[in-house]
Amino acid sequence: EVQLEQSGVEVKKPGESLKISCRGSGYIFPGYWIAWVRQMPGKGLEWMGVIYPDDSQTRYSPSFEGQVSLSADKSINTVYLQWSSLTASDTAMFYCARLSGLWHTGVYLDSWGQGTPVTVSS
Amino acid sequence: QSALTQPPSASGSPGQSVTISCTGTSSDVGGYNSVSWYQQHPGKVPKLMIYDVSKRPSGVPDRFSGSKSGNTASLTVSGLQAEDEADYYCSSYAGFNVVFGGGTKLTVL
Repeated sequence: EVQLEQSGVEVKKPGESLKISCRGSGYIFPGYWIAWVRQMPGKGLEWMGVIYPDDSQTRYSPSFEGQVSLSADKSINTVYLQWSSLTASDTAMFYCARLSGLWHTGVYLDSWGQGTPVTVSS
Repeated sequence: QSALTQPPSASGSPGQSVTISCTGTSSDVGGYNSVSWYQQHPGKVPKLMIYDVSKRPSGVPDRFSGSKSGNTASLTVSGLQAEDEADYYCSSYAGFNVVFGGGTKLTVL
């Protein structure tokens, strides 16, 4: 069974840094892109970017380029989403999800993590 | 890149059919057969319902169907049931990136 296990609840102050994780199991982890999706309170889903764990290739949504950083450690089947300096507007639920299909022909998110809630408040 | 356009709400009575639209451009919805739909119940994780415009993952009832015409994709839920009440999001490949729709809240009356 494909599973994505995300790290737990985070409460941080503005200006602090943060790194959250997503660990995959039940499939060949390095062989699938992993996407990160933001959902702000009461709002819709937003595509942040993707990372390919095998070689750490990344592709960022223009809206998030330069705001966050994606990384991976394929030896432990884990990808990370990182901020260097949080602001209150980073308060949201963050999901990782496995990307299936092929670029150019059809991609979709077929398995999701449980989400990591992040609250940034002074 | 802009989000895909979905109606904020849709509704139907049990047993009826409802269709949710998702409008993009030739750079996303119209340019690729890569539209997917996700269902999200309140406080829950999104779930894949349709991929590649009209394919259903294993376990998704055949009451859910997808289609596309030009720059607009559609999700149709037939034989509405109470448990179909949820938020629905469309998504499309957009050139080495992906874009979501704003979401549609489906209410079963």
